[in-house]
Amino acid sequence: GAGVSQSPRYKVAKRGQDVALRCDPISGHVSLFWYQQALGQGPEFLTYFQNEAQLDKSGLPSDRFFAERPEGSVSTLKIQRTQQEDSAVYLCASSLAIKAGPRNTIYFGEGSWLTVV
Amino acid sequence: GDSVTQMEGPVTLSEEAFLTINCTYTATGYPSLFWYVQYPGEGLQLLLKATKADDKGSNKGFEATYRKETTSFHLEKGSVQVSDSAVYFCALIPNSGYALNFGKGTSLLVTP
Repeated sequence: GAGVSQSPRYKVAKRGQDVALRCDPISGHVSLFWYQQALGQGPEFLTYFQNEAQLDKSGLPSDRFFAERPEGSVSTLKIQRTQQEDSAVYLCASSLAIKAGPRNTIYFGEGSWLTVV
Repeated sequence: GDSVTQMEGPVTLSEEAFLTINCTYTATGYPSLFWYVQYPGEGLQLLLKATKADDKGSNKGFEATYRKETTSFHLEKGSVQVSDSAVYFCALIPNSGYALNFGKGTSLLVTP
């Protein structure tokens, strides 16, 4: 597609429910990132994939958060047993570079807005 | 760790006013610096970037200069428009890194 696509755009989950958020990166982009953006804050890094390999998951806030990219394209961020503090916008981003670095542009999707009630 | 600090908003300006949004950074070595913009209801878009000291990034009338001596990357525009109303994020990628580190964002409202 022309840009990074995320779904669902909006999700309301009851506390304790599991959710799955999908990201379709720009075709051919090998680097993929997930970020969490709380209301009124800047995005915070969650995890990074290079193709299907998850090279960095240091930003995942707990073991309830899990991300995968099994075929090196579409990625899914899964949150188990959601809690109210998980309410945020989850942003996916991708980059063309095989090894993402400071000189490569990172493109963002519109985000998935998660509200846990 | 590497981080970015930007001025708090909201910033409210009249159309055609001069805009400055301050951004300073803390990093080892020479990070790359970015400004992203988030319009209401839309995703983050890259506005401009600079990858080495003294570089000037520019786009859509916005400019920012990478100042190593003051560890700053202030965003400026000579004459803002109502359509510039958005949230602006300063960010960096460390010299040996790959992920963007963002500031908290500065909300800009331009009134007619």
